[in-house]
Amino acid sequence: GENVEQHPSTLSVQEGDSAVIKCTYSDSASNYFPWYKQELGKRPQLIIDIRSNVGEKKDQRIAVTLNKTAKHFSLHITETQPEDSAVYFCAATSIDSNYQLIWGAGTKLIIKP
Amino acid sequence: DAGVIQSPRHEVTEMGQEVTLRCKPISGHDYLFWYRQTMMRGLELLIYFNNNVPIDDSGMPEDRFSAKMPNASFSTLKIQPSEPRDSAVYFCASTQDRGRTEAFFGQGTRLTVV
Repeated sequence: GENVEQHPSTLSVQEGDSAVIKCTYSDSASNYFPWYKQELGKRPQLIIDIRSNVGEKKDQRIAVTLNKTAKHFSLHITETQPEDSAVYFCAATSIDSNYQLIWGAGTKLIIKP
Repeated sequence: DAGVIQSPRHEVTEMGQEVTLRCKPISGHDYLFWYRQTMMRGLELLIYFNNNVPIDDSGMPEDRFSAKMPNASFSTLKIQPSEPRDSAVYFCASTQDRGRTEAFFGQGTRLTVV
């Protein structure tokens, strides 16, 4: 079945710098890759997603890239701000997982002032 | 729509007691998911429903856990008897299309079993 690994588990960056979080997946049939942000004490919320027919997607300061050959996808946050501090989860889904979201373990992003 | 609504937000109970968590999904969403979140194990899928029918309950930890969805607008997750290791945040989420579209999460229920 699908397995999603996420790195790093904790990432600390200076405010204004960029942050990159990486995920790898095992199922080559995976075709949907969302990223969720969970602020402390709150619910996970979708911030961006990408489908397997697209290599990159941007939304203001965040972007996601997908490398299907290497089976990995990454979240990029530029010009980080204090409100970017949160736990970020990647996920993947495929027909082999019966279209269930398989979640990464999460990355705690800390923005240093 | 007010989004996915869960109740209660916080629950403190004594070991051995029955606990019932409630969820109202977004109207029109055909899929409902129950997750458990802990520091040690992250987000775990417990069970999900499609059109009120349980599809996969392989994530339910043991027989003490049960879930129902009597209609399209209501689901419950019950733990009987509760144990301290059940302490976690339980999230309910709903989607229009299983794992291929955005999952909308409720605010969660923080369960503490003492």
